[in-house]
Amino acid sequence: DAGVTQSPTHLIKTRGQHVTLRCSPISGHKSVSWYQQVLGQGPQFIFQYYEKEERGRGNFPDRFSARQFPNYSSELNVNALLLGDSALYLCASSQAAGVGTDTQYFGPGTRLTVL
Amino acid sequence: AQSVTQPDIHITVSEGASLELRCNYSYGATPYLFWYVQSPGQGLQLLLKYFSGDTLVQGIKGFEAEFKRSQSSFNLRKPSVHWSDAAEYFCAVAARNTGTASKLTFGTGTRLQVTL
Repeated sequence: DAGVTQSPTHLIKTRGQHVTLRCSPISGHKSVSWYQQVLGQGPQFIFQYYEKEERGRGNFPDRFSARQFPNYSSELNVNALLLGDSALYLCASSQAAGVGTDTQYFGPGTRLTVL
Repeated sequence: AQSVTQPDIHITVSEGASLELRCNYSYGATPYLFWYVQSPGQGLQLLLKYFSGDTLVQGIKGFEAEFKRSQSSFNLRKPSVHWSDAAEYFCAVAARNTGTASKLTFGTGTRLQVTL
């Protein structure tokens, strides 16, 4: 079975631009979570979506938004990019949300560089 | 708020030697506990998890971890390290059923270097 896939692999943007990152979950998984991993740090939770509804949001500004589609894939959007948004963006899929025992499986990530 | 501390930023061990990576958590109750591994340029792979029951849990690639409630710790161990184990290791916690989001809170990671 295919794992979590993310696109693009790498992305270079300039300050002030907008970016869209995409994620396809494991087949049968209905929940997608997004994490930001700054170099040298652990991943930080951004959003979780389940059945197309936002189930949780981390401590990120409103420039960050996301959505989930009927096929359970997801997009993460970041507006007005700042240098500090440079990071590895990880997508994780799981079968449900709000269940701590539900294992999250991570994709390879999208490396975003903001110049 | 829950938090995870991994005191060792960088550890170097010789191939064949034993390994222990430390993890301490701060949480109001016993959370769910996880160890993930990240190879350079890769996403995170789950090594093992603890939900309840036996406090010694076995994972993939020969890793094990022991949950100690009294010490709020969940240390990762391997009896004999292989060169391919060189990677970044993350300890993470998740709250028990929340009914909302099941987010993971990660530590800052421990980078493992293996010398031949």
